[in-house]
Amino acid sequence: SAVISQKPSRDICQRGTSLTIQCQVDSQVTMMFWYRQQPGQSLTLIATANQGSEATYESGFVIDKFPISRPNLTFSTLTVSNMSPEDSSIYLCSVTRGWGTDTQYFGPGTRLTVL
Amino acid sequence: GDSVTQMEGPVTLSEEAFLTINCTYTATGYPSLFWYVQYPGEGLQLLLKATKADDKGSNKGFEATYRKETTSFHLEKGSVQVSDSAVYFCALSDRGQAGTALIFGKGTTLSVSS
Repeated sequence: SAVISQKPSRDICQRGTSLTIQCQVDSQVTMMFWYRQQPGQSLTLIATANQGSEATYESGFVIDKFPISRPNLTFSTLTVSNMSPEDSSIYLCSVTRGWGTDTQYFGPGTRLTVL
Repeated sequence: GDSVTQMEGPVTLSEEAFLTINCTYTATGYPSLFWYVQYPGEGLQLLLKATKADDKGSNKGFEATYRKETTSFHLEKGSVQVSDSAVYFCALSDRGQAGTALIFGKGTTLSVSS
C-alpha cells in the first residue's frame, strides 16, 4: 500500500472563492486520481493527474473549474474554483503503485463545505 | 458503459450474525473487482480484490468470489462485529488496466449492534 496524506482535512468556504487541496504520497507512485464523493453518494472520478502534463478530465468536469497539477511523482493538487454550495463534497485522491496494477489506494479525503 | 449495482442499505445486524452484501456488475471485457470500506469520518480502505473469474478475495474475515457466469462479487462474513459498522463499496476497474477509473456502486451502510 501507500501512505497518502491530504491537506486540508476539512474546510468551510464562502461561495465564489477557491480552495486548493494537496495530496502527498510517501513514495513514488505511477498514477494519481481525484474523486468526488457528494453527500450520501458514491465516488465519481474527476480526473487523472498526469505528471508533467495536463490532467485528463472525465465527462462533466472541466479544467477551469477543477485545475489540477502534478509536478512530480509524489504530489498533486486539486483546486475547486469559484465555489458554490453544490461543490460541498468529500474530495479524495487515490494512487496506484507500479505498472500493470489497477489497485487504487485512497487518501483520507478533504471534507469541503461551501456556504 | 460499465456499471456496478449494490444492494440497498442500510443493513442492520446483531453481533455475530452472518453478512451478505450483494454486488453485480456490467462490463465489457474482464474487469478486476474490489470491495472498499469507509469507516465513519475516514477515507476508503481496500478490503479485498479479485482479478479473474473464480478468484476469491479475502481479508479480515470477509470474502468475495468473482463469479463471471452471474456477473457477481457478493461480500460475505460469517460473524460480524460492532467494529465492522461502515459503508461498503463494490467497484470494478474498467478493463483491468492500470491508469483506468474505478467505477463504484452506491455503497451499502452496515450497522452492527451488540
